[in-house]
Amino acid sequence: KNQVEQSPQSLIILEGKNCTLQCNYTVSPFSNLRWYKQDTGRGPVSLTIMTFSENTKSNGRYTATLDADTKQSSLHITASQLSDSASYICVVRGMDSSYKLIFGSGTRLLVRP
Amino acid sequence: DSGVTQTPKHLITATGQRVTLRCSPRSGDLSVYWYQQSLDQGLQFLIQYYNGEERAKGNILERFSAQQFPDLHSELNLSSLELGDSALYFCASTTAGGDNEQFFGPGTRLTVL
Repeated sequence: KNQVEQSPQSLIILEGKNCTLQCNYTVSPFSNLRWYKQDTGRGPVSLTIMTFSENTKSNGRYTATLDADTKQSSLHITASQLSDSASYICVVRGMDSSYKLIFGSGTRLLVRP
Repeated sequence: DSGVTQTPKHLITATGQRVTLRCSPRSGDLSVYWYQQSLDQGLQFLIQYYNGEERAKGNILERFSAQQFPDLHSELNLSSLELGDSALYFCASTTAGGDNEQFFGPGTRLTVL
């Protein structure tokens, strides 16, 4: 079972609209949760990193929230732009000795004019 | 530009062959991670090196191996290639082993025919 589940799998919105992407995880305990943006065929780029004690973090029009009790995170995109079209990946880092990151399968966002 | 470089950008080879992918981390970064991303799949962690030593292993096949050299560049060796090894291979680097942001390279697209 995937320890990081993202929804929806894909999303189409009109330019200028807001949207929210969801991430549920079962990794426990965890060190931090990250959101990445990945353009097609390119490497992921970090948007936010939150530790378990943080509830929200913003990066421009991107705002991530974290509820460690319910093990849920969301990424809210405000006033979407065409350049926001990409995959958004939720990543959780556990606190075991492996130090590895566990990646969600991503939400593919398409912003239409 | 993340500061992480990967070569080659594209690689086309035949089944049964062996290839080497190269990664140069950002200046000052000691830790290198390798990831595999198959078509429309999420990123899969393969292996991590820190200052020349293997730090963590993920879903890396026995046919694959990696190393990090004294100048901190890393190579991922893939042998006895199969059709299913066709994927994007990303390298990422961080300043230390754990919680810091990972900076991803542009990736190497491997096609096995």
